Amino acid sequence: SYELTQPPSVSVSPGQTARITCSGDALPKQYAYWYQQKPGQAPVLVIYKDSERPSGIPERFSGSSSGTTVTLTISGVQAEDEADYYCQSADSSGTYPGFGGGTKLTVL
Amino acid sequence: QLQLQESGPGLVKPSETLSLTCTVSGGSISSSSYYWGWIRQPPGKGLEWIGSIYYSGSTYYNPSLKSRVTISVDTSKNQFSLKLSSVTAADTAVYYCASARPVIAVAGTSTYYFDYWGQGTLVTVSS
Repeated sequence: SYELTQPPSVSVSPGQTARITCSGDALPKQYAYWYQQKPGQAPVLVIYKDSERPSGIPERFSGSSSGTTVTLTISGVQAEDEADYYCQSADSSGTYPGFGGGTKLTVL
Repeated sequence: QLQLQESGPGLVKPSETLSLTCTVSGGSISSSSYYWGWIRQPPGKGLEWIGSIYYSGSTYYNPSLKSRVTISVDTSKNQFSLKLSSVTAADTAVYYCASARPVIAVAGTSTYYFDYWGQGTLVTVSS
């Protein structure tokens, strides 16, 4: 399946802004999606179509796209945001979805 | 709101076939609004897409698993299923089923994202 690249870890203090990047050569042609996964739980969709937020997801979560890189931004990070975050997209044909390797967000 | 629930054996012997079923509630598996997918996560590792199916029966598989994977849908039971043959210890993982929302991409191609997930079920491959 399609491969995406994320940093393994990001650390921020409470109240600061966390930025998690995801890169892939098909991202100019395909939307990106972001999932939050807490230990022992299923992933939860937090951003779809690069920057749209599902209902129930706090406004502090936002997404952006520039060329072959997309970014998940969490403004005013809270302790409860500590989790693994995965980006997802697809190859240029749209046939094969793929996930990034995941980024562990640590709230110091 | 859709709810999905995986079911199946938690222990499978090497070389045998892993079989899981996902029961969908809160919506029809025959809806043209959704694909249905399987994703797995080995312990301590990331997510891997296994494959997806449309209500019409069209299937899409991860090329790295394609020779061993079969996904099918049973509209009468509102379920879809996964079979993975010739399993090894490398197939030990939490297996998730999920609903997949179709999207028309910037390039005009059709793809999807996973909006509702089951809770996941751990399948261990061991003798």
